[in-house]
Amino acid sequence: KAGVTQTPRYLIKTRGQQVTLSCSPISGHRSVSWYQQTPGQGLQFLFEYFSETQRNKGNFPGRFSGRQFSNSRSEMNVSTLELGDSALYLCASSLQGSYNEQFFGPGTRLTVL
Amino acid sequence: QKEVEQNSGPLSVPEGAIASLNCTYSDRGSQSFFWYRQYSGKSPELIMFIYSNGDKEDGRFTAQLNKASQYVSLLIRDSQPSDSATYLCAVNLQLGNQFYFGTGTSLTVIP
Repeated sequence: KAGVTQTPRYLIKTRGQQVTLSCSPISGHRSVSWYQQTPGQGLQFLFEYFSETQRNKGNFPGRFSGRQFSNSRSEMNVSTLELGDSALYLCASSLQGSYNEQFFGPGTRLTVL
Repeated sequence: QKEVEQNSGPLSVPEGAIASLNCTYSDRGSQSFFWYRQYSGKSPELIMFIYSNGDKEDGRFTAQLNKASQYVSLLIRDSQPSDSATYLCAVNLQLGNQFYFGTGTSLTVIP
């Protein structure tokens, strides 16, 4: 069974730009969660989508948004990029939700210059 | 108080020893507890999960959960150099049904 895939793997953007990251979950998994990982803050929960609906949201500004499609693939968008948005963005899929075990993708490394 | 707290380490143990990693959480109603391992430059991978009080063993790994004291631990027996990584504790908090990670404990197994 194929694992979680994320594209692109690396991105370099400048302040003020916007970016869209993509995540394809494990086949059959309906829940996709997004996390931001930085050396100082560790893994921080952004949001969770289940069956095309946002089910949970972390404490991030509205510049961070996401969506999920009918095939469970998910996208995350960050608008008006700031230097502090430089991080590894990880998505994780699970069968039913974040109370189940989650499986992580390889991540997208975003650098904001 | 953070939702999930871990001793950041670093923790060093000799090869063959038992490594003990600890985690405490704030929400007494939490139901699901997970341990992930993350190698440098890689994404987290699930090692174990535990839902009930007591011990759960899987090979060289044992997870221990004590809901009354709100802590969960991971024991690694016969530690190997390949176990050197950062270990992340994750808890599904009942409050808000969110998934929180600790900041991780860095483990080094010395050959």
